[in-house]
Amino acid sequence: QKEVEQDPGPLSVPEGAIVSLNCTYSNSAFQYFMWYRQYSRKGPELLMYTYSSGNKEDGRFTAQVDKSSKYISLFIRDSQPSDSATYLCAMTRTGANNLFFGTGTRLTVIP
Amino acid sequence: ETGVTQSPTHLIKTRGQQVTLRCSSQSGHNTVSWYQQALGQGPQFIFQYYREEENGRGNFPPRFSGLQFPNYSSELNVNALELDDSALYLCASYGATSGGDEQFFGPGTRLTVL
Repeated sequence: QKEVEQDPGPLSVPEGAIVSLNCTYSNSAFQYFMWYRQYSRKGPELLMYTYSSGNKEDGRFTAQVDKSSKYISLFIRDSQPSDSATYLCAMTRTGANNLFFGTGTRLTVIP
Repeated sequence: ETGVTQSPTHLIKTRGQQVTLRCSSQSGHNTVSWYQQALGQGPQFIFQYYREEENGRGNFPPRFSGLQFPNYSSELNVNALELDDSALYLCASYGATSGGDEQFFGPGTRLTVL
């Protein structure tokens, strides 16, 4: 079993839709949770960073962490065609020197 | 402030050859990590360098090796290339100016092994 599971999609939505992306994980020691956006043939770009449980909002993006369920989510409101990319969840624990990534979900927002 | 840069952008090698990839960390960052991202997969941790020494390694064989220089730039060397080494190789850096978990990635080097 992988430490981080993420539905690879692909996911297609119309412009303006609310998008929900999710990851589950198995290691209860994970405390730091990140979402990266990766455009085709580019490096991942840090989108959201959350410590422990709770919500964090940044513009159209909201990250949620539920440590009791080992489940994290990224919500994108009023999705735009420029949001079309692969979204990677990543996480780590205190003292670790590496990130553990999901496989990424490929999102397409249709104009 | 400059971001993480990597060179070359693309590289084609044949099986059995050796390759060196380069990374310049973001200004102020003293820690560099290397990741391998196969097509359709998430990045996999190869190793990390801090103050010119290896500081953790993922599940990769010894033919994957690295260096970090006094200016915190880094190299990834891969010997005896195999077809499965074809991937996007990503460098990430962080340091005193960011949380240890906020790793910032470069654009990657796409390696194709024929």
